[in-house]
Amino acid sequence: VVMTQSPLSLPVALGQPASISCRSSQSLLYSDGNTYLSWFQQRPGQSPRRLIYKVSYRDSGVPDRFSGSGSGTDFTLKISRVEAEDVGVYYCMQGTHWPWTFGQGTKVEIK
Amino acid sequence: QVQLVQSGAEVKKPGASVKVSCKSSGYTFTSYYLYWVRQAPGQGLECMGIINPNTDSPNYAQNFQGRVTMTRDTSASTVYMELSSLRFEDTAVYYCARGDGYNYSLDYWGQGTLVTVSS
Repeated sequence: VVMTQSPLSLPVALGQPASISCRSSQSLLYSDGNTYLSWFQQRPGQSPRRLIYKVSYRDSGVPDRFSGSGSGTDFTLKISRVEAEDVGVYYCMQGTHWPWTFGQGTKVEIK
Repeated sequence: QVQLVQSGAEVKKPGASVKVSCKSSGYTFTSYYLYWVRQAPGQGLECMGIINPNTDSPNYAQNFQGRVTMTRDTSASTVYMELSSLRFEDTAVYYCARGDGYNYSLDYWGQGTLVTVSS
C-alpha cells in the first residue's frame, strides 16, 4: 500500500495552524471495522514518536493541539497552533495491510 | 517504563552480514510483537519485518525476504535482526519498535543503530 503525503515541506509561522494530508492507495478500513492509520513525529536526531493511532486517538502526553481525522483513503493531521518544539518530520503509517508502510514524510519548519 | 535499547553503530564491508540487538525492559517481553524499521540517510521509514517473541516466529517484508533473519532470546528479553549480503544501499539507521497490540501501530521505539556499508 502506497502512502502519499502532502505537502513534503511546510513552513509555518509560530502560533499558526498546520495541516498535513496523507492518502493511501487502498482503503485502510479493516475487516474488524477499525482503520489503522497512525501519525509519528521525528524531531531532528531523534527516533520517531507516535502522536496518533487509529486515525484520531492521541497518545498520552501528546498536546491537544495535535488532532487526526479521516477515513478510507484520506487522512489529515492538524496542528492548531504551531510551537517551536513541533519542528521535525511527520510521517503517516498504515497498519491495516502487511507490510506496514509509511508516507514519505512532511518537514515542518518555522517560517 | 518501557525501554528498547539497541546495540551500537556498525561498519561493514559489502557482502558481509550485520546483527543488531534490541533489549526490552519495563514490560512483559513475550506479550508484544517487535518490529524492525529502517531509515536510509535523509530518507523515510521502511518496515522490514516483525517477530513474535512468544513463539519466535517472524514475518518479513518481501523486500527483505532471503536476506533478513529475526530471532529472539527470551532469557535476555532481546530480539535480533541480522541482515546479510550487505550492499551500499543498506546504509541506514535500523530501529526496533514495539507493536501496540490490537491498535496495529508502533508505540515505543529504540534509539536506532547506524549501520554503514563501506569498502
